[in-house]
Amino acid sequence: EVQLVESGGGLVKPGGSLRLSCAASGFTFSNVWMNWVRQAPGKGLEWVGRIKTKIDGGTTDYAAPVKDRFTVSRDDSKNTFYLQMSSLKTEDTAVYYCTTDFHRGYFGSWGQGSLVTVSS
Amino acid sequence: EIVLTQSPATLSLSPGERATLSCRASQSVSSYLAWYQKKPGQAPRLVIYDASNRATGIPARFSGSGSGTDFTLTISSPEPEDFAVYYCQQRSNWPLTFGGGTKVEIK
Repeated sequence: EVQLVESGGGLVKPGGSLRLSCAASGFTFSNVWMNWVRQAPGKGLEWVGRIKTKIDGGTTDYAAPVKDRFTVSRDDSKNTFYLQMSSLKTEDTAVYYCTTDFHRGYFGSWGQGSLVTVSS
Repeated sequence: EIVLTQSPATLSLSPGERATLSCRASQSVSSYLAWYQKKPGQAPRLVIYDASNRATGIPARFSGSGSGTDFTLTISSPEPEDFAVYYCQQRSNWPLTFGGGTKVEIK
């Protein structure tokens, strides 16, 4: 059974940094592209960023609102996926979900989410 | 960026009453459209992908149709556990985008 467990969320001041982790199990992590998707309070879903597998180049892509501030990475030896967030803004407040890629652009399995609150 | 517009924003139904949700794209996405179910406090769940394919474990009462710019998610006879918010999402063009959601609630 696929399991994705996020951690690292919390309260951070505007301009601060935070790193989320996603521990994966139940599948061959190194073979799967991974994504972060977020949901701000009372809002809809928003794709944040993606990393491909090393065999596919390990390249990353980001949504425009987070580009140059957020970095996704992976450690296949630890079956863990990361989201490094810097220069955080109040509008980054959201629940952040780790997801597996499905069919090169959909989101197959989801973690339970990690709440990030950016507030002074 | 492709904009996905979902309607209605809220759909009030009695259990067993057919639900029809709409998603319209600002330009063609071919059949590269998915639907997700989201309940409060839970992770979203993939329901339909490539416009009409049910994801693993999704009951047959869920069906998807459409191509190009107009898509429909139908729940033939909603069960109590089907009342939730549904989002469409496209993978045709970069960046990946979601619609604003349709809340399906019990009347």
